[in-house]
Amino acid sequence: QSALTQPPSASGSPGQSVTISCTGTSSDVGGYNYVSWYQQHPGKAPKVMIYEVSKRPSGVPDRFSGSKSGNTASLTVSGLQAEDEADYYCSSYAGSNDCVFGTGTKVTVL
Amino acid sequence: EVQLVESGGGLVQPGGSLRLSCAASGFTFNSYWMNWVRQAPGKGLVWVSRIKSDGSTTRYADAVKGRFTISRDNAKNTLYLQMNSLRAEDTAVYYCVRGYSGYEVWGQGTLVTVSS
Repeated sequence: QSALTQPPSASGSPGQSVTISCTGTSSDVGGYNYVSWYQQHPGKAPKVMIYEVSKRPSGVPDRFSGSKSGNTASLTVSGLQAEDEADYYCSSYAGSNDCVFGTGTKVTVL
Repeated sequence: EVQLVESGGGLVQPGGSLRLSCAASGFTFNSYWMNWVRQAPGKGLVWVSRIKSDGSTTRYADAVKGRFTISRDNAKNTLYLQMNSLRAEDTAVYYCVRGYSGYEVWGQGTLVTVSS
């Protein structure tokens, strides 16, 4: 149950795109299409932005997209806006009904 | 409105016990897997435990296995986390979360502080 690896920080100017990676193993990210992504603003509960690798819940802007290749999943935020500045976490099913989260990435809008 | 409301957090001494509760409303509680996820101050999210909709299956993170017990009362629409042998490293905000492949509903969290 080791945490998935994310870069500590990422940044972009308004209107630009930023991509966050989430690296695991064949026992979690690479083995299942159950990767999800969460946005967390300071002092708030997390909010799901992507589930099952690339599905967007209703109400989440289509600027947010997810993908996966091998043991690495990615979240891309296109057309960055000030309100996208937050912490982002990935999570993955890890077999045997277990789950694991990523280490988290702080996204800064310059 | 779909809602999860945690309670039961507080200050406890190392080695002590605490039971968290999570009251669910606005959805069919007995149809969903439920989870506890925690976040230490200034740190990331960590999955703690989950329980199947009918309570028949439970899973735990290695860090809490043997010390924490998750349970649910579907008649009361309530999720529980019994925490025993608490350690300083268990200090965190504990979130009650609905979901399995994606955590779509989160409570506001309850703070547990383990300190002498």
